[in-house]
Amino acid sequence: NAGVMQNPRHLVRRRGQEARLRCSPMKGHSHVYWYRQLPEEGLKFMVYLQKENIIDESGMPKERFSAEFPKEGPSILRIQQVVRGDSAAYFCASSPELGGENTEAFFGQGTRLTVV
Amino acid sequence: QQQVKQSPQSLIVQKGGISIINCAYENTAFDYFPWYQQFPGKGPALLIAIRPDVSEKKEGRFTISFNKSAKQFSLHIMDSQPGDSATYFCAASLNDYKLSFGAGTTVTVRA
Repeated sequence: NAGVMQNPRHLVRRRGQEARLRCSPMKGHSHVYWYRQLPEEGLKFMVYLQKENIIDESGMPKERFSAEFPKEGPSILRIQQVVRGDSAAYFCASSPELGGENTEAFFGQGTRLTVV
Repeated sequence: QQQVKQSPQSLIVQKGGISIINCAYENTAFDYFPWYQQFPGKGPALLIAIRPDVSEKKEGRFTISFNKSAKQFSLHIMDSQPGDSATYFCAASLNDYKLSFGAGTTVTVRA
């Protein structure tokens, strides 16, 4: 059973370009979460999605950032018109369910975005 | 506003020693307190977790101590090994998905 797969692992974009980060959850997991990690800081929650639905996007910047988790295919975190401050590691996590005993979220290896 | 404060920022321990990392939280509604271990270039991996109805949980060399009245919890790594050298994050959540992370502690175990 493959873990959470994120690609690309490293992404370099020039200011003003678009960044698209992909996340394939673990098999059987229908809950996906995106977190951002700035250097020397902990992870910050961005958004929680289930298939075709955004459940909680309270951590997403209001502009330029969007996320989706379509019925088919990976979850996508999209950053439009990137700026240097967007440079960070973006982690995706997935879990099978909420509540009960089985609530562990498994993290991918992250996408390290560098804006030049 | 940082909801979970973690200390120390880094620590060095000799092989066989005890590593202790402390966290304090603000939101009394938090009901899930996990610890994650992260190696360079990797994603965080769940190490051990506790719910507020117990004061201590032990798994192998790792122990969580939880003090609900003080709103504090800590991770103890017994018999620290060089392979334990990593960054450790405490976290807390209200509804199992929205984790609030501490800033992390870099642990270095000297052989």
